[in-house]
Amino acid sequence: NAGVTQTPKFQVLKTGQSMTLQCAQDMNHEYMSWYRQDPGMGLRLIHYSVGAGITDQGEVPNGYNVSRSTTEDFPLRLLSAAPSQTSVYFCASSYSKGGRTSTDTQYFGPGTRLTVL
Amino acid sequence: DAKTTQPPSMDCAEGRAANLPCNHSTISGNEYVYWYRQIHSQGPQYIIHGLKNNETNEMASLIITEDRKSSTLILPHATLRDTAVYYCIVRPRAGTASKLTFGTGTRLQVTL
Repeated sequence: NAGVTQTPKFQVLKTGQSMTLQCAQDMNHEYMSWYRQDPGMGLRLIHYSVGAGITDQGEVPNGYNVSRSTTEDFPLRLLSAAPSQTSVYFCASSYSKGGRTSTDTQYFGPGTRLTVL
Repeated sequence: DAKTTQPPSMDCAEGRAANLPCNHSTISGNEYVYWYRQIHSQGPQYIIHGLKNNETNEMASLIITEDRKSSTLILPHATLRDTAVYYCIVRPRAGTASKLTFGTGTRLQVTL
């Protein structure tokens, strides 16, 4: 298994440009999420999804859109990039299944380093 | 989710045990204690989790106090590769698909 993959690894945008950060997992995980991490800070949740066709907002959703058309993919879209969105973006997934024995451990991708000028 | 308090940084000599404390005095009965770490520039990595009993795996041990208001992550023989930021997180029971809330963690520096 490749685990959680993210593309691109690095990206530079100009203010107002749009782009999509890709995230894919091959572990058949139901739960996927996007976090951003600013320098010296912990991770903050942007959006998450508990399954295909279902998404919800996290702590800092403004300026970002997501969709979940398949179990494997969870792209993050920036419609009009702003310098405040300069950050490292991490995608994560977990096998979320109800029940006492589920550990719900989250697996993180390697990150996308985004700079908005 | 309950909030956690961790020291901002700690040092540990290589080969010695690293004991990383975490306070979670507002933890509720259905919340687990999770530990993740983040090695420089990489995505966070799961270490261990527990509810009320002490836990051990190939990476670390987790000691939770009887009142569950605090816990300690123990790396029994720290190596240079254990240098990372360690995050203590409390969240509802496994399987509820709830999000992880990261604080600023403890930056562990392992030295020769």
